[in-house]
Amino acid sequence: SYELTQPPSVSVSPGQTASITCSGDKLGDKYVCWYQQKPGQSPVLVIYQDNKRPSGIPERFSGSNSGNTATLTISGTQAMDEADYYCQAWDSSTVVFGGGTKLTVL
Amino acid sequence: EVQLVESGGGLVQPGGSLKLSCAASGFTFSNYDMYWVRQGIGKGLEWVSVIGTAGDTYYPDSVKGRFTISRENAKNSLYLQMNSLSAGDTAVYYCARAVVPAAMPDPHFDYWGQGTLVTVSS
Repeated sequence: SYELTQPPSVSVSPGQTASITCSGDKLGDKYVCWYQQKPGQSPVLVIYQDNKRPSGIPERFSGSNSGNTATLTISGTQAMDEADYYCQAWDSSTVVFGGGTKLTVL
Repeated sequence: EVQLVESGGGLVQPGGSLKLSCAASGFTFSNYDMYWVRQGIGKGLEWVSVIGTAGDTYYPDSVKGRFTISRENAKNSLYLQMNSLSAGDTAVYYCARAVVPAAMPDPHFDYWGQGTLVTVSS
């Protein structure tokens, strides 16, 4: 079965750039999306189709996808961005989620 | 405003059954594929079922034969019948609306409900 691999944790200082990776075989051939989930809340879509932002998502969130790796980039990270982030793709008629990355802003 | 509201969660004994519901509003429900996605406590996201606009259904091996997804478009409602439950099914269950781009079949979930907790324990 297809797997997406994310680092368990990423730390960033306020105002700096955070990068969260998601790796999978030939991932660049698929669309990747990203969800943000804060404690006790439902996931929120922050990036879809590799690099598109839904309405209401700040411009500091961006995405890329090439080769075997997709990356969620948060520029000028704010304390409010501290959350778990999940990548998601589609393979063989199956939705696949990455294991999630806890972003700590310190 | 799009809203998805789950209900039906609770405590159930191993081997038992439970039926979850998701009430949708604010969009044309019949036009969208709908999913159930679960999240174990402190764990990641796992899809558990999908129903297409034509009523076609798919499940991962982990729930195939035990879970049944259905929809009632006239009531803007999504359901998940869960049978033969075990401790591994303990999770928050979310319903989610899928958007499928025209060019590729890859869905993403633009709206999620607040989730309903299912606890399987004796």
